[in-house]
Amino acid sequence: DIQVTQSPSSLSASVGDRVTISCRASRTLLTYLNWYQQKPGKPPKLLIYAASRLQSGVPSRFSGSGSGTDFTLTISGLQPEDFATYYCQQAFISVLTFGGGTRVEI
Amino acid sequence: EVQLLESGGGLVEPGESLRLSCTASGFSFSTYAMSWVRQAPGKGLEWVSNIRGNGDDTYYADSVKGRFTISRDNSKNTLYLQLNSLRAEDTAVYYCAKGKPYYGDGGLGFDYWGQGALVTVSS
Repeated sequence: DIQVTQSPSSLSASVGDRVTISCRASRTLLTYLNWYQQKPGKPPKLLIYAASRLQSGVPSRFSGSGSGTDFTLTISGLQPEDFATYYCQQAFISVLTFGGGTRVEI
Repeated sequence: EVQLLESGGGLVEPGESLRLSCTASGFSFSTYAMSWVRQAPGKGLEWVSNIRGNGDDTYYADSVKGRFTISRDNSKNTLYLQLNSLRAEDTAVYYCAKGKPYYGDGGLGFDYWGQGALVTVSS
């Protein structure tokens, strides 16, 4: 199986900040990597797929980059509604795995 | 509008069984892979299982392999998860999710999710 490790596990930020979250895989994923946002009591929401493709309806302040084993989710200009937990998910092999999550706090 | 509605959750004792259902609407169900993802209380997301649109191929996390079985009935637009030999560590909210394929059919994200069904395993 492929392990995916996110860092940091949590971070504190302010409205307007630029935030970056990292995801590192135990082997190459090429660009088979997705990002999700989850708010308390709600199901996850797909933000980015194929490492850098913005899901329909997602604000353009969210962006993804990377390939191989190292990936980044960037939020450019943090908004109040962006305080949530973010997860990466590898899709390179059919046995899928999620990262442990990054909680973005005020 | 895409909708996914899980049912069948509840409280069971260790060793018992349960079947979850997910009724889908608003899209061509048989065209898409479907998945189950779970989240233990206060923990992160854990992918559980996938099934291809035609039901021919299934995949499981090591933690549930041999105990859980995913299936689908495309005539009823319904996804299932049979949970056997349940353990306390299977306690979680179980989400069904619609697959979003990319790169042909090689990549898979999840673009729609149900609200989840709570499974509690406790004596």
